[in-house]
Amino acid sequence: NAGVTQTPKFQVLKTGQSMTLQCAQDMNHNSMYWYRQDPGMGLRLIYYSASEGTTDKGEVPNGYNVSRLNKREFSLRLESAAPSQTSVYFCASSEGGASDTQYFGPGTRLTVL
Amino acid sequence: QQQVKQSPQSLIVQKGGISIINCAYENTAFDYFPWYQQFPGKGPALLIAIRPDVSEKKEGRFTISFNKSAKQFSLHIMDSQPGDSATYFCAASMDGGSTLGRLYFGRGTQLTVWP
Repeated sequence: NAGVTQTPKFQVLKTGQSMTLQCAQDMNHNSMYWYRQDPGMGLRLIYYSASEGTTDKGEVPNGYNVSRLNKREFSLRLESAAPSQTSVYFCASSEGGASDTQYFGPGTRLTVL
Repeated sequence: QQQVKQSPQSLIVQKGGISIINCAYENTAFDYFPWYQQFPGKGPALLIAIRPDVSEKKEGRFTISFNKSAKQFSLHIMDSQPGDSATYFCAASMDGGSTLGRLYFGRGTQLTVWP
């Protein structure tokens, strides 16, 4: 099992450009999450999907959109990238219960110039 | 508003010493408290977790101490090793409701263990 995979691993964008970060899991998990990690700020939840067909805003949703394409895939889109979106982005998945382990992908390092 | 507050932000410990990281929360609806460990360039991974019906949980050199009345919990790493150098995140979640499965993370502690 590959677990949680993310593409791309690295990306450099210019301000105003758009891009989609892809995430897929092969553990048949119900819930999927997108986080961003910035120095000193920890892991902040952008959006999550408790089950296929549902999405909810997290702590820092502004400037992002998500799509839960199917049970396996959860994508994060930046419509018009800004330098403030320079960060490391992690996707995670879990069974969805309160005490279920979240499994994280390897991350995407995004730089917006 | 930070739901889970973590300290210190960074910690330097000598090999063989004890590393202690503290977390505090306000929401009494939280009922599951995991710790995640993250090595440079990797995603976080679950290290150990506790429920509030016990005051302590130990797994090898890692122990969580939980104080329900004070709404605090801490991670103790005994006999710290250079391989423990990583960033540690405490987190909390609550059972039920629209936020089922959502974790609220602390801001992380960067631990460095000197040989």
